[in-house]
Amino acid sequence: AQKITQTQPGMFVQEKEAVTLDCTYDTSDPSYGLFWYKQPSSGEMIFLIYQGSYDQQNATEGRYSLNFQKARKSANLVISASQLGDSAMYFCAMRGYNNNDMRFGAGTRLTVKP
Amino acid sequence: GAGVSQSPSNKVTEKGKDVELRCDPISGHTALYWYRQSLGQGLEFLIYFQGNSAPDKSGLPSDRFSAERTGGSVSTLTIQRTQQEDSAVYLCASSLEVISGPSSSSYNEQFFGPGTRLTVL
Repeated sequence: AQKITQTQPGMFVQEKEAVTLDCTYDTSDPSYGLFWYKQPSSGEMIFLIYQGSYDQQNATEGRYSLNFQKARKSANLVISASQLGDSAMYFCAMRGYNNNDMRFGAGTRLTVKP
Repeated sequence: GAGVSQSPSNKVTEKGKDVELRCDPISGHTALYWYRQSLGQGLEFLIYFQGNSAPDKSGLPSDRFSAERTGGSVSTLTIQRTQQEDSAVYLCASSLEVISGPSSSSYNEQFFGPGTRLTVL
């Protein structure tokens, strides 16, 4: 069975600083994909970044980067130069080789302080 | 182009009534997902449609829940005899055909709709 764990219910960061949101996962699938989504207070789910389990390099997308440590089964999201608009819920998700569904973590609420 | 749309945006119903929630995926997307998000919680997978294949219903919480997808496009999630614990936001997502296999550098991002907020009184 697949499981995604986000251990930080809430995080605070000062504007312009970097922040790391933790995500660990558990799967027996040899191939899988890891996703991060942002959900602002408006409720929509916004795709941020993707990391494939066989990808050699950590994924980066603008101010977002994924610190992928396969042996530790972690896929932490790093947001650099935080902005007030980054305040939102952030969800880590995983889809495995043989699974149709995407498993989501419980989420981390990030608050960026001015 | 148009994104995933869902209707209604809000639905208030009485316990015991049936409700239908609608999802219009992005044109050309063959995969469609339904999720449920309770207040302050993560997303709970409900059901998945891929093309003409039989849907994956493994996430449906009870036999009161059902979904269909007509013509490979629009999907309807039906909840019969609603209960108060059914109150949640129901999110629909669509993507291009899911690629499975060892080449995990291929993926298809899910595009989410705005959700339907269901309140069962």
